[in-house]
Amino acid sequence: GQQVMQIPQYQHVQEGEDFTTYCNSSTTLSNIQWYKQRPGGHPVFLIQLVKSGEVKKQKRLTFQFGEAKKNSSLHITATQTTDVGTYFCAGGNAGKSTFGDGTTLTVKP
Amino acid sequence: SAVISQKPSRDICQRGTSLTIQCQVDSQVTMMFWYRQQPGQSLTLIATANQGSEATYESGFVIDKFPISRPNLTFSTLTVSNMSPEDSSIYLCSVELAGVNTGELFFGEGSRLTVL
Repeated sequence: GQQVMQIPQYQHVQEGEDFTTYCNSSTTLSNIQWYKQRPGGHPVFLIQLVKSGEVKKQKRLTFQFGEAKKNSSLHITATQTTDVGTYFCAGGNAGKSTFGDGTTLTVKP
Repeated sequence: SAVISQKPSRDICQRGTSLTIQCQVDSQVTMMFWYRQQPGQSLTLIATANQGSEATYESGFVIDKFPISRPNLTFSTLTVSNMSPEDSSIYLCSVELAGVNTGELFFGEGSRLTVL
């Protein structure tokens, strides 16, 4: 079955530093979604990427979808304490989403 | 947007018993899903809840253990049967909204289940 791997598992940064999490799928994806889950909360949708090579930005967040539609990245510029949480990618195929293991970000003020 | 009400929010159960989790959505939905998330882990899809027919289960999950109902478009239940401590987890209801083409999944707050 489809597998979605995400690295790193944990990332600790100083406030103001950048952060990147990477997502790789064992199969070509129809789309990829990114979610953020705050501690004790439920996943909240950030964005969906559909096109090969697509890049989307949301303020300090930049999302990329690889040319082969098998990998993706989320980059946060100048992290803030409000960015803490676990970031999940979810690879979409055949109407279902397979979640990666997530990257947990902690930010030291 | 959608408001997804999930009940119970948490429960402590004895081994061998069963618990039914309810999910109610305030909007028209196309797809409803049930996920499991063990502490500190990722989300694993249990099944797709189909309206008026049997749910579609993922590998490793079976109807006898996780019976699912979806009597209408906006309501579903997941039962965790004959529970064991390994079933301790957070169970999440998730939906795709009708008329929204962003691919977004909306999640309920989750039901935290502890089996003793």
